[in-house]
Amino acid sequence: KAGVTQTPRYLIKTRGQQVTLSCSPISGHRSVSWYQQTPGQGLQFLFEYFSETQRNKGNFPGRFSGRQFSNSRSEMNVSTLELGDSALYLCASHRSSTNTGELFFGEGSRLTVL
Amino acid sequence: QKEVEQNSGPLSVPEGAIASLNCTYSDRGSQSFFWYRQYSGKSPELIMFIYSNGDKEDGRFTAQLNKASQYVSLLIRDSQPSDSATYLCVNRGPNAGGTSYGKLTFGQGTILTVHP
Repeated sequence: KAGVTQTPRYLIKTRGQQVTLSCSPISGHRSVSWYQQTPGQGLQFLFEYFSETQRNKGNFPGRFSGRQFSNSRSEMNVSTLELGDSALYLCASHRSSTNTGELFFGEGSRLTVL
Repeated sequence: QKEVEQNSGPLSVPEGAIASLNCTYSDRGSQSFFWYRQYSGKSPELIMFIYSNGDKEDGRFTAQLNKASQYVSLLIRDSQPSDSATYLCVNRGPNAGGTSYGKLTFGQGTILTVHP
């Protein structure tokens, strides 16, 4: 069974640009959530999607947005990049038929903003 | 006050000893609690979850929950060098209503080192 796939794995952008990250969940998983991980702040929740609807949103500015498609694949977008957006962005999928909170993480997309 | 607070460590224990990892949380409405392990350069993976007060055992791991004290812990018995990793305490907050589950909040993580 294929795991969670995130693309691209690494990318470098400059301030002011925008970036789109993609996540394909495990087959059959309908819920996807996104996290930002930095050494200083740890893992912070960005948003969670289920059946193309945003269910929860973390405390990030409006420059951070996401969406989910009918095939459960998800994208997140960060506009007007700032140096502080440099981080590892992790996507996780989970079965929504249970609420165990078991998240299956992808390997992440490491974003560097210069 | 951080919503989920852990000692960052590093916590160093000898092989075969018991490692004790602690976590406190601020939201009394939190529904459920999880421990994730993250090896260096890897993504987090779930090792335990607990919903009710008391202890829950799974192999060498025991999770303990005390909702009155807003305290969660993870004990690792017979610690092995392969247990060396960062351990993340996570809670799920109260349901937001409708079909929304509560938000997951991660602690900063405790670095555990098990030395031979």
